[in-house]
Amino acid sequence: DVKVTQSSRYLVKRTGEKVFLECVQDMDHENMFWYRQDPGLGLRLIYFSYDVKMKEKGDIPEGYSVSREKKERFSLILESASTNQTSMYLCASGRGGEWTQYFGPGTRLLVL
Amino acid sequence: RKEVEQDPGPFNVPEGATVAFNCTYSNSASQSFFWYRQDCRKEPKLLMSVYSSGNEDGRFTAQLNRASQYISLLIRDSKLSDSATYLCVVNVGRGGYQKVTFGTGTKLQVIP
Repeated sequence: DVKVTQSSRYLVKRTGEKVFLECVQDMDHENMFWYRQDPGLGLRLIYFSYDVKMKEKGDIPEGYSVSREKKERFSLILESASTNQTSMYLCASGRGGEWTQYFGPGTRLLVL
Repeated sequence: RKEVEQDPGPFNVPEGATVAFNCTYSNSASQSFFWYRQDCRKEPKLLMSVYSSGNEDGRFTAQLNRASQYISLLIRDSKLSDSATYLCVVNVGRGGYQKVTFGTGTKLQVIP
């Protein structure tokens, strides 16, 4: 079974803090993705990566950055957290050339 | 117009009923289509891919209508355990790369 894990299930941060969300997959997948999910808006792609050290912007990259130094790990960074970044963050991975995505359990982030 | 649109529901159906959801997409160049299932406060999981000729997996049938640009999911003999949100997913081609776009989901509640 594919396993995608995320560093925290719940996180509370203050406005202006730097926030790191980590995602690890154990299936040697080339592709990794970060989404946020908000009521009424569905899943929105923040960034994705199709290889180590490669990254592409998704639909809503503003206020976020990513890092992929190792194939199995994809990190999402909020440089200066704001209240409008309160959301559920979902990481996913998938094989190169395929479009099936396997999701981690998500991190519920609350920015106060 | 949204790239991928779904009726949010909820669809409330009795056990044993047949229920169908549609999902429309705007980009005629879309190539791959999927249905994911998301239980409350859980991550999305792949339910099934949607093939051009239509496909069936047990009680679930998926159809693609390219002319009218929609996909459908039919669930027969609904079970209580089918209660979830069903996400339509479309691979939207954009120039040199492609990305997956999620609909906002249709909520199904199966009632005893």
